[in-house]
Amino acid sequence: SQQGEEDPQALSIQEGENATMNCSYKTSINNLQWYRQNSGRGLVHLILIRSNEREKHSGRLRVTLDTSKKSSSLLITASRAADTASYFCATVTSGGSYIPTFGRGTSLIVHP
Amino acid sequence: DAGVIQSPRHEVTEMGQEVTLRCKPISGHDYLFWYRQTMMRGLELLIYFNNNVPIDDSGMPEDRFSAKMPNASFSTLKIQPSEPRDSAVYFCASSLGGGANVLTFGAGSRLTVL
Repeated sequence: SQQGEEDPQALSIQEGENATMNCSYKTSINNLQWYRQNSGRGLVHLILIRSNEREKHSGRLRVTLDTSKKSSSLLITASRAADTASYFCATVTSGGSYIPTFGRGTSLIVHP
Repeated sequence: DAGVIQSPRHEVTEMGQEVTLRCKPISGHDYLFWYRQTMMRGLELLIYFNNNVPIDDSGMPEDRFSAKMPNASFSTLKIQPSEPRDSAVYFCASSLGGGANVLTFGAGSRLTVL
């Protein structure tokens, strides 16, 4: 069963615009991870944010975590056509097996 | 490091045939995971190993599925007999120190059962 659920399921934007994807989850987490999957490829890790962190940055990526709302967001600034991919959040639950559970993903299309 | 290596990349087989998927994890990683991805169910964990020992196989759909890890550099996922509903992309991933850390995924094996 999915712990994290991404929203929206699909997002279509123009190059240069910002893209925001959200992830909601149900139980307490140890950390939350974001991955990208290009068509026909494996998942690639983007950012890991721990439960005691509120924000992390990596290049054009910004991830926030609100544990009170049990939600996270991934912001891609100044998007490029090469950012076209599916983006997944994976939650690692506290007190459990510490194995990531993936959501269904957000499909992002960036038009040149 | 060449990353996590999976083979075959594509497999087309007929119902009832045996299918074996292979995975070579990143050298030094002590955890290995097998996931299955379908449009209907998303990415599901099938089984994971720690130091070559299966820890949790509760995600294996049924007895037709089996997985082994005879050594630290090789794992197999076997389906016997295969059925059309097994059609999916199967991913292997490895990590150092467990799932609370970053997983490195292979490119996946796309299985089509006719």
